[in-house]
Amino acid sequence: QVQLVESGGGLVKPGESLRLSCAASGFSFSNFYMTWIRQAPGKGLEWISYIDTGSDHINYADSVKGRFTISRDNAKNSLYLQMNSLRAEDTAVYYCARDIRYISAWGQGTLVTVSS
Amino acid sequence: QSALTQPASVSGSPGQSITISCTGTSSDVGDYVSWYQQHPGKAPKLVIYDVNDRPSGISNRFSASKSGNTASLTISGLQAGDEADYYCSSYTTAATVVFGGGTKVTVL
Repeated sequence: QVQLVESGGGLVKPGESLRLSCAASGFSFSNFYMTWIRQAPGKGLEWISYIDTGSDHINYADSVKGRFTISRDNAKNSLYLQMNSLRAEDTAVYYCARDIRYISAWGQGTLVTVSS
Repeated sequence: QSALTQPASVSGSPGQSITISCTGTSSDVGDYVSWYQQHPGKAPKLVIYDVNDRPSGISNRFSASKSGNTASLTISGLQAGDEADYYCSSYTTAATVVFGGGTKVTVL
C-alpha cells in the first residue's frame, strides 16, 4: 500500500536549519508530483512547496520562499525539504504528500519546533 | 496566496445534512477543488477531488459542488464519525495550492 514516512523533525533555535526527509513506498514515486504541507499547532493546513517528477518545476509559498528548498531523489524514492533561517512561526507538523491537484496520500507528519 | 474562506464551525444532528462552503476568487476556485477530512491527531484524508469526484472507499454521503467562486461540501445522513475538521483546497491558476481555514463539524 502507499506509504509516506517523514523524518528529521525536532527542536531547533531561531535562525538554525533542519532537513526533513520523506521515504515513499507502494507506488511509482518517480511518476508523481510531490508536495510539502504544514500545520501549526491548533491551526489549519498550509501548502509549502511542490516539485514535479523531474525536479524541473518547483514552486513555493511566499511564507517560505528563499528560505526553504524542496528536492527529490527518484532513485531513492525520497523527498526532502531543506529549511534554513527557521523562525518561531515555522513551528508545525510537516506533512509529505503525493500530488498537487489533489493530495491522494499523506504521511503521518513530523513535528518541527522552533524555539529559543 | 490568500486562504479560501470557510465557516469556522458547522453542526448538525445525526441523520441530518450539513453543507460547508468554501469561497475564493476566480483564480482559486476552478476545476481542481478538493476536500479533506481530518480527525484529531491524524493526517488529513481526501474525501472529494476535482470539485465533485469521490475517491474509492469514500461514502456517497459525501457530495460536493461548485457555483461561481464558491465550492460546497455536503455530508448527508450525518454520523458521529463525521465529527472532524474539514478543509477545502484548490490548485490555482498561479500554479500554487491554497487551503481554506478549516471548518469544525460537530455532531450534536
